[in-house]
Amino acid sequence: ETGVTQSPTHLIKTRGQQVTLRCSSQSGHNTVSWYQQALGQGPQFIFQYYREEENGRGNFPPRFSGLQFPNYSSELNVNALELDDSALYLCASSFELTGVETQYFGPGTRLLVL
Amino acid sequence: KQEVTQIPAALSVPEGENLVLNCSFTDSAIYNLQWFRQDPGKGLTSLLLIQSSQREQTSGRLNASLDKSSGRSTLYIAASQPGDSATYLCAVRPGGATNKLIFGTGTLLAVQP
Repeated sequence: ETGVTQSPTHLIKTRGQQVTLRCSSQSGHNTVSWYQQALGQGPQFIFQYYREEENGRGNFPPRFSGLQFPNYSSELNVNALELDDSALYLCASSFELTGVETQYFGPGTRLLVL
Repeated sequence: KQEVTQIPAALSVPEGENLVLNCSFTDSAIYNLQWFRQDPGKGLTSLLLIQSSQREQTSGRLNASLDKSSGRSTLYIAASQPGDSATYLCAVRPGGATNKLIFGTGTLLAVQP
C-alpha cells in the first residue's frame, strides 16, 4: 500500500464527453504527477503539479487539464474525449525537496471511451 | 529526446531459475533509474531506485545495476517464484526541474511452477 488512492476505479464514457478523475496523495506530499498508460505500453507523463501550480507537461493537448488542492488531493480533467483516451490513468505523489524523491503510485483509474 | 527500451518484451521461465531483465536509455543525463512491478490492471509498485551516482541496489532476491555511461540497467531476480509473475517496468528521471519519469514498455515475466 502506497497511501495513494484514486477514484473511480473504472469508468465508461462516450466520445465527446468530459471526465474528471481524482487522486488523494500521501499526507505531506507536495507534488502530484499524472500518467496515461495505454494497453501494452509504459506510462506516459501527462503533467505534474507542485504546490498547486503546473510544473511541467508532457506531449498532451490542452484538453487534458488538472488541479491540485491544499488537502493533498488532485484532479485530472479530460474534455472532448476521444477513443484513444481509453487507458489506465495513474497518479503519483512525492515530497519534492532535494530532487531525488521516490514517486508513490496509486492503483489507477481504467477509462474506456466508446 | 530520452527513450527507454526494455528487452525482452516477454519472458517465461521455470520456477527456481535466475533471470536478468534489461533496460537501456539513450541520454545518460539522468537523476535516477527506478524499477517497478505491475500486476495485471493494477498500479505500480516500486522495487528499486538507483541514484545516478550509484552502481547497484539490492533488495532481497532483487539486484539492480546501473551503468550510466553506456545507458544500461539490469534487474537480476534470483531463484524466481510464480509470485514474481508480473510486468516489470524501468523508468528514468531525466535532468530538469520536473520530477517526471520516462518509462520503457516493460517486460512481461511468467514464472512457471
